[in-house]
Amino acid sequence: EVHLVESGGGLVQPGGSLRLSCAASEFTFSSHWMSWVRQAPGKGLEWVANIKQDGSEKYYVDSVKSRFTISRDNAKNSLYLQMNSLRAEDTAVYYCARGFCSVGICHGNVFDIWGQGTMVTVSS
Amino acid sequence: DIQMTQSPSTLSASVGDRVTITCRASQSISSWLAWYQQKPGKAPKLLIYKTSGLETGVPSRFSGSGSGTEFTLTISSLQPDDSATYYCQQYNTFSTFGQGTKLEIK
Repeated sequence: EVHLVESGGGLVQPGGSLRLSCAASEFTFSSHWMSWVRQAPGKGLEWVANIKQDGSEKYYVDSVKSRFTISRDNAKNSLYLQMNSLRAEDTAVYYCARGFCSVGICHGNVFDIWGQGTMVTVSS
Repeated sequence: DIQMTQSPSTLSASVGDRVTITCRASQSISSWLAWYQQKPGKAPKLLIYKTSGLETGVPSRFSGSGSGTEFTLTISSLQPDDSATYYCQQYNTFSTFGQGTKLEIK
């Protein structure tokens, strides 16, 4: 079964750093765009960042630019999110999500497989 | 940035009812719209892509329509398992989600 498993969440103080990981299994990881999407407690969904299949293109929502870095290791079937200068408003469940492919076209921003999420809490 | 606005924010309907949720974009997004279903404590699930494409395994009672700036998700005959929050998402320019519509079963 296709699977995404996030890890690395936790409690961090404002200004601190955290690195999230996402392990993929049972699909060709290197064939898909991958994204991070977050959801603050009781709130809606917010796309955070995505990365092309070969890592050559990366995009971010404005609120995390220069603070977060998305990366991937196709040899390890893994996606990462390095989060620096964390703020209280970054508190959320962070989901790893696979870009959807249909009839040979792979999209960077439609997500057909999601992980279970990892909670990040930024608080003193 | 493209803003997505869903209506209504909450909806209560009975089993067997036909239910429609509307999503409006602040500018044209062509047909680049998806719909997701999310149940409490769970990850979202893709239902519809490119306005009307039904994701594999999604029941045929779900359908989508629209173009440009106005879109709808329709559930033709509501089932108890459809109780959830539904999100629209534009992917014409990066990605933006609507604020969600919470659907409750009476």
